[in-house]
Amino acid sequence: EAGVAQSPRYKIIEKRQSVAFWCNPISGHATLYWYQQILGQGPKLLIQFQNNGVVDDSQLPKDRFSAERLKGVDSTLKIQPAKLEDSAVYLCASSLDDAANEHFFGPGTRLTVL
Amino acid sequence: AQKVTQAQTEISVVEKEDVTLDCVYETRDTTYYLFWYKQPPSGELVFLIRRNSFDEQNEISGRYSWNFQKSTSSFNFTITASQVVDSAVYFCALSENDYKLSFGAGTTVTVRA
Repeated sequence: EAGVAQSPRYKIIEKRQSVAFWCNPISGHATLYWYQQILGQGPKLLIQFQNNGVVDDSQLPKDRFSAERLKGVDSTLKIQPAKLEDSAVYLCASSLDDAANEHFFGPGTRLTVL
Repeated sequence: AQKVTQAQTEISVVEKEDVTLDCVYETRDTTYYLFWYKQPPSGELVFLIRRNSFDEQNEISGRYSWNFQKSTSSFNFTITASQVVDSAVYFCALSENDYKLSFGAGTTVTVRA
């Protein structure tokens, strides 16, 4: 079974530029998550989708971050414009629809904002 | 408020020693799930174990064991006979009724040969 795919793996941009990340979850997983992991910290949820609807985006900085999940499968996360403090690893995860089910994480995208 | 607290920032042991990682959580839900994840240097988070709030029986799976105590809101994790490949950051996480995970800050485990 294929895992969660993410691209790119690494991205370096200058502040005020824009960037987009892509995620393809495990087939059949209705719930998709984007987490932000700043160096030395645990992952923090940015946005949670169930199918193509947003369940929780309370921690998403909506003035600069946006995300979508078209057709309830792939998802993209965009930052525009980027700030220095956005430097982090962006992790995509998917799970079945149950709190008991573990998240399956992708390899992450390491973003460096200069 | 922090829902999951991992007080240990770093632990260093010599190979074959046991390692116990502490985790304290906070929730008002009666049904919840607790997880341990491993993040090796490659960066990908790997699921290790899960426990639900109704099952306080402690278990052993290979070299991993866990101690879940609702009375103290703790979910500690032990690696027995540690190996160099166990070197990683270990995260405790809580899932409540909304499925998302609340992670602790992580404990870096270094196993020296």
